[in-house]
Amino acid sequence: GENVEQHPSTLSVQEGDSAVIKCTYSDSASNYFPWYKQELGKGPQLIIDIRSNVGEKKDQRIAVTLNKTAKHFSLHITETQPEDSAVYFCAASQNYGQNFVFGPGTRLSVLP
Amino acid sequence: GAVVSQHPSRVICKSGTSVKIECRSLDFQATTMFWYRQFPKQSLMLMATSNEGSKATYEQGVEKDKFLINHASLTLSTLTVTSAHPEDSSFYICSALRRDNIQETQYFGPGTRLLVL
Repeated sequence: GENVEQHPSTLSVQEGDSAVIKCTYSDSASNYFPWYKQELGKGPQLIIDIRSNVGEKKDQRIAVTLNKTAKHFSLHITETQPEDSAVYFCAASQNYGQNFVFGPGTRLSVLP
Repeated sequence: GAVVSQHPSRVICKSGTSVKIECRSLDFQATTMFWYRQFPKQSLMLMATSNEGSKATYEQGVEKDKFLINHASLTLSTLTVTSAHPEDSSFYICSALRRDNIQETQYFGPGTRLLVL
């Protein structure tokens, strides 16, 4: 089955700096890679996703890159703000949500 | 983004009782919903896949007789924790799969915190 690894497990950055979180996956059949932000006591919120036919996607301060050959994808947050502090999960899945597997999560702290 | 709600948001019950959690997709129809469990400081673990009009598919190690799932309509799935015990205390999160013309996206509910005394 699919196995998703995520690094780092914790990340602290100064406000205004960039943050990068990296994930690797094992199943070459996976073709959908979402990123979720989870604040304390809340459910995960989809912040950006990328599909296997695209190498990069950007939405304001957030971007995701995908390297299918190496089986890894990354989340980039620029100009970080204290409200970006949360746990971020990457995931990999196939069509129709099949084999949807989360990474272990990264706790991001943005220091004012 | 799409909206998925869960009710209740928090529940405390006595050991041995049953608890029902509802998951609703508010602005789209979902033939497929998922139920996850999350322990403190851990990732989400898939418990089961709920398909409208058919039996749920449970992940290995999840007792189907203990965690009853019903997906009777295209906007509602329920999870019933039967004969709850303290070890069932956890954060339960549902998600609903929205299918557009060419792609599908999974949207999560806000979660239900269950505490079994």
